[in-house]
Amino acid sequence: EVQLLESGGGLVQAGGSLRLSCAASGFTFSSYAMSWVRQAPGKGLEWVSATSGTGGSTYYADSVRGRFTISGDNSKSTLFLQMNSLRADDTAVYYCAKGKYPSSWYLFDYWGQGTLVTVSS
Amino acid sequence: EIVMTQSPATLSVSPGERATLSCRASQSVSSNLAWYQQKPGQAPRLLIYGASTRATGIPARFSGSGSGTEFTLTISSLQSEDFAVYYCQQYHQWPPGFGQGTKLEIK
Repeated sequence: EVQLLESGGGLVQAGGSLRLSCAASGFTFSSYAMSWVRQAPGKGLEWVSATSGTGGSTYYADSVRGRFTISGDNSKSTLFLQMNSLRADDTAVYYCAKGKYPSSWYLFDYWGQGTLVTVSS
Repeated sequence: EIVMTQSPATLSVSPGERATLSCRASQSVSSNLAWYQQKPGQAPRLLIYGASTRATGIPARFSGSGSGTEFTLTISSLQSEDFAVYYCQQYHQWPPGFGQGTKLEIK
């Protein structure tokens, strides 16, 4: 059974940093692209970042490029999102999501339960 | 960037009736369109991909249609557990984009 478990969210001041983790199980982590998708309170879904299973390729939404860094540890089947220079509009629930096929980066078949990041101004 | 637009924003339907939700892309996404269901406090769940293929475990009352720029999600006979927010998403090209959602509420 595929499971994704996020952690690391919390309250941080504007300008601060936070590192999110997503522990994966039930599939071969290195074979699938993984993404972070966020949802501001009461709002819709916004894709944030993605990485290949090997970590050789990474992509970012314009809204976070240069501030966030996605990475993965295949030995621990864990996805990370390092978030720096946080702003109030980064406040959201952050979900990690798995690509459905090795070649399908942005079709998400499994999602974690999410971790809430609150940035105070 | 492809913009996804869903309509209506809110849909009120009685249990047992049919619900039809629409999604439009600003340019063609071929059949690279997914639908997700999200209930309060829960993560999104994949319902439909490839515009019309049901994901594993999704009941047959959910069906998707369309290609190019116009898509539809139909729920044939609404059950109480179907009242939720539904999002469409294109995965045709980077960046992947979601519609703003349709809230399906009990009439």
